Amino acid sequence: EPEVTQTPSHQVTQMGQEVILRCVPISNHLYFYWYRQILGQKVEFLVSFYNNEISEKSEIFDDQFSVERPDGSNFTLKIRSTKLEDSAMYFCASEHSTNEKLFFGSGTQLSVL
Amino acid sequence: QKEVEQNSGPLSVPEGAIASLNCTYSDRVSQSFFWYRQYSGKSPELIMSIYSNGDKEDGRFTAQLNKASQYVSLLIRDSQPSDSATYLCAVTSNYGGSQGNLIFGKGTKLSVKP
Repeated sequence: EPEVTQTPSHQVTQMGQEVILRCVPISNHLYFYWYRQILGQKVEFLVSFYNNEISEKSEIFDDQFSVERPDGSNFTLKIRSTKLEDSAMYFCASEHSTNEKLFFGSGTQLSVL
Repeated sequence: QKEVEQNSGPLSVPEGAIASLNCTYSDRVSQSFFWYRQYSGKSPELIMSIYSNGDKEDGRFTAQLNKASQYVSLLIRDSQPSDSATYLCAVTSNYGGSQGNLIFGKGTKLSVKP
């Protein structure tokens, strides 16, 4: 089965530093997402991306966050100035089209110290 | 604030029994409903989707939807130890649009005892 690939699997950073989380969605997929899950908490929607632009974002996705699809294969999430509360597992997900299966990557565990 | 509520468990059932997992949602315009399975430290994996009132069966899994009661359930028949995981209910108001933009419940932890 095709996979969504995320790198790195673990990222440790200092508070205030910028981090970029990387994802390679499945090649023929059209919709891309970032979710996060703080330890022991719900999976939370951050942002959706379609046709090279953000289609929807949650309240969590403030000015410190940005997404980019720089080269037609990668999909990145940037956090400009990390806070302690940004520590979470970040999942990238993609799907081909409407109401088909959403594929999640294995996640990047971000730890902000 | 759109909410999806689940009993956090743990729900413990013996091997071979039926496990019943429940979920309620607050947004009446919700259109699409999903059950995901998440093993500890892993990503969510889609088990079932349901869009219309009634039952939908797939192998050992049956999803049930009642929009009037804003209630979704998942039955797992002949439960196996490998079914031990956290089961996430997810909802979206999108219909005919992308499956994403999901609102997840906190999940019910299921333990199947051999």
